[in-house]
Parts: sequence; structure tokens; C-alpha cells
Amino acid sequence: KQEVTQIPAALSVPEGENLVLNCSFTDSAIYNLQWFRQDPGKGLTSLLLIQSSQREQTSGRLNASLDKSSGRSTLYIAASQPGDSATYLCAVKASTGRRALTFGSGTRLQVQP
Amino acid sequence: ETGVTQTPRHLVMGMTNKKSLKCEQHLGHNAMYWYKQSAKKPLELMFVYSLEERVENNSVPSRFSPECPNSSHLFLHLHTLQPEDSALYLCASSGASIGLAGAYNEQFFGPGTRLTVL
Repeated sequence: KQEVTQIPAALSVPEGENLVLNCSFTDSAIYNLQWFRQDPGKGLTSLLLIQSSQREQTSGRLNASLDKSSGRSTLYIAASQPGDSATYLCAVKASTGRRALTFGSGTRLQVQP
Repeated sequence: ETGVTQTPRHLVMGMTNKKSLKCEQHLGHNAMYWYKQSAKKPLELMFVYSLEERVENNSVPSRFSPECPNSSHLFLHLHTLQPEDSALYLCASSGASIGLAGAYNEQFFGPGTRLTVL
């Protein structure tokens, strides 16, 4: 059974810092990995999707990497801003069978102005 | 309307009530999902509907009943719920089947329905 772990559970940084969020998964047989952002009480916003054949994806100040063999992904946020404050969720899709995603518990990020 | 919409956004119901949650996707996708997000727990899949499969999480109680009349609409019928069913219920959709070149299967989520069971 796939398990997804995110470290740290919570993070508080001053504005302007670069930061890294970590995600690990136990079964490397994945089809893709998706990073989401969730604001309090709201739905999920897809940030980046990395296919299993890819090593990284970039969108603006965000960069996500994937090391499938070691079961790890990182989300790098450059020059953090207070508006980046949210919970960041990592989710993986298995390469066979079910379409559904397996989620980690998330990292709650607070960027201090 | 664009993306994935859910109604109602908030719902308070008693344990003897019957209610339904509605989800609609305007993305031309062919798979839809219900997820449950409880406090301090990871999102967990409840149901998947697609052309290829209907999947149920065996741990979902029978008081939750899904209905998918077409590829754009998904319902979650609720009856005789318990207070521990209070949670954020999220609907998602995705497109293209695994195996098609360039298929991403990226999932797009709705804003959720905040359910409180008294």
C-alpha cells in the first residue's frame, strides 16, 4: 500500500527566503506526482505535475523535482512571499490500476512579512 | 462556469436527514472523484467514476452513496450520517486514459463542501 509522507509538517519563514518542502513515497511504481496548494477551508489548486519519466517541472518561482527510484520529491519555492502562506500537499498516482491519488498530510507554510 | 464546481459550499444536517452533494465539471474530463478531508488526516479517496472503472474505497460506510449520471456530473447522497462524518468533501476530475501519448491525468479539484453533522 502506497504511503506518502511530507516533512516538515509546519514551517514558518521570513519573507524573501528560499525554502524546500519534502515529499517521500514508499512505492516507486508511480505514474505521476502532483503538488497542490490548499488555503484554509478551501479546495486544492494544482501547482505542478511531474510525470514519472520527468526529473523536474518549473512554474514561476516554483520548482518541483522527482527522484522516482529513491521515492522522493521536493518543492522549491524561491523568494517566498506572505501570499505563499498555505498548506502544500503532495500526491502520487500509481502506474497501474486505480486512477486515484494518494496524498500526504501536507506542510503548513507561514511566510512572515 | 469553469473548472469544477460544487454545491452547496456549506451544509449543516442532523443525523436523520437525507441530503445530496453535487459536483459538476466543465473541463470535458471523463473521470470524477470524491475525496474526504477530515481534520488532521490526509485526503482519502471515497469513490472514482470513469469510463473504465467504478472504484469504491471499501472503508466508506454505506450511508454514503455516489451517483454519476454522466461524465460531467457526480453526486454524493448522504443519509443517517454520524458526527464523525463532518469534514470537507472534495470533488475532482481528470481527463484522458492512461496509455494515450501525452496524457497527463492531472486532477483538478472543486472548492469543496464543508459538511457539519449535528
